[in-house]
Amino acid sequence: TQLLEQSPQFLSIQEGENLTVYCNSSSVFSSLQWYRQEPGEGPVLLVTVVTGGEVKKLKRLTFQFGDARKDSSLHITAAQPGDTGLYLCAGALFTGNQFYFGTGTSLTVIP
Amino acid sequence: EPEVTQTPSHQVTQMGQEVILRCVPISNHLYFYWYRQILGQKVEFLVSFYNNEISEKSEIFDDQFSVERPDGSNFTLKIRSTKLEDSAMYFCASSEEYPGAYEQYFGPGTRLTVT
Repeated sequence: TQLLEQSPQFLSIQEGENLTVYCNSSSVFSSLQWYRQEPGEGPVLLVTVVTGGEVKKLKRLTFQFGDARKDSSLHITAAQPGDTGLYLCAGALFTGNQFYFGTGTSLTVIP
Repeated sequence: EPEVTQTPSHQVTQMGQEVILRCVPISNHLYFYWYRQILGQKVEFLVSFYNNEISEKSEIFDDQFSVERPDGSNFTLKIRSTKLEDSAMYFCASSEEYPGAYEQYFGPGTRLTVT
């Protein structure tokens, strides 16, 4: 059973376009994180959202945590080739010490 | 900027052999984790470790796996008798607080190849 589903799985867009990646679950999370992973490297933390409905901005990236704390989205404005990579959502439930990763979205930004 | 380090970067071993993967977490962090990522698949939680004991482990973390913090800086993952399906990237991570509210920082990974 996959706790966190991401969509789309693959995304290829032209430089300058906007895009949104979704992370959905039927479970309630105490927090959600977004990571970016390059091939052969470890995930790099982008942001943590903790409060339901929270919106965080990181330059051209906007992250939102759903009101019910079951989903999150990542919106990139004016994508650049440097945004290319695997985007992962991850989160922890209120119970237990386990940390769950999403299925990942592979983004390619074409110059 | 403090970072998590892992050694070796690549380990090749024969099936049935024991391997030890090493990690140095960020110095003021209290929680430590191991994850694995089979090529082309998602990152999977293995184990979390706090206060010198395992906090939680997944179904992947069976009796062939063990973790240890032998001194004040290192955190190790041992696989006693490796299998072909253990081939994967293994990531160590650490965090300041319980991950319900705080972030985990990942190392660069060790690529384990079992032949």
